[in-house]
Amino acid sequence: DSGVTQTPKHLITATGQRVTLRCSPRSGDLSVYWYQQSLDQGLQFLIQYYNGEERAKGNILERFSAQQFPDLHSELNLSSLELGDSALYFCASSVTGGPYEQFFGPGTRLTVL
Amino acid sequence: AQSVTQLDSHVSVSEGTPVLLRCNYSSSYSPSLFWYVQHPNKGLQLLLKYTSAATLVKGINGFEAEFKKSETSFHLTKPSAHMSDAAEYFCVVSDSRGGGADGLTFGKGTHLIIQP
Repeated sequence: DSGVTQTPKHLITATGQRVTLRCSPRSGDLSVYWYQQSLDQGLQFLIQYYNGEERAKGNILERFSAQQFPDLHSELNLSSLELGDSALYFCASSVTGGPYEQFFGPGTRLTVL
Repeated sequence: AQSVTQLDSHVSVSEGTPVLLRCNYSSSYSPSLFWYVQHPNKGLQLLLKYTSAATLVKGINGFEAEFKKSETSFHLTKPSAHMSDAAEYFCVVSDSRGGGADGLTFGKGTHLIIQP
């Protein structure tokens, strides 16, 4: 158990809908990262927050957004969902930013029908 | 820019024989390198990390990796495979600039199969 929690574990929705994925980092970790894992794209970095502020963006679509709240939990919002958005979404956390190991949550499996 | 190439998409070994998973990296800065493992339907677990200290890194479950700057490689090894090692393994790079994008760059993964 990494100490990072993600809810829900599974999510099934329809095209065009909007969903919110939630992540709670390990106690004491200030940095939260979101990743998408799909069969065709592999594991891709989406976005990072550090102590409430956006720190870096990766391959995140404009239809996707995230935020980190004062209690350091984070939410990833996915809107206007398409079939191709079906994937595993992982949250990770680390103590600070920088090249330190990240601890991954169990993931949320999103299925768009 | 940083990138990672895992040279084998699948590796099959017999239980009790050595494991070698190959990884080459590219980084504009001094990289930090990691190996993560993902068991079926599970999250990612850190096996080991290199962050510019000793070039031979020991990890969990008997795994090791050696950082070779001249070859830009960070291959993962284990002397004797166990059935429980069957999983997907990811080689990961993060450059050490700090202050910029700190997302990890993942290789495409190597699926390790252990034959009884």
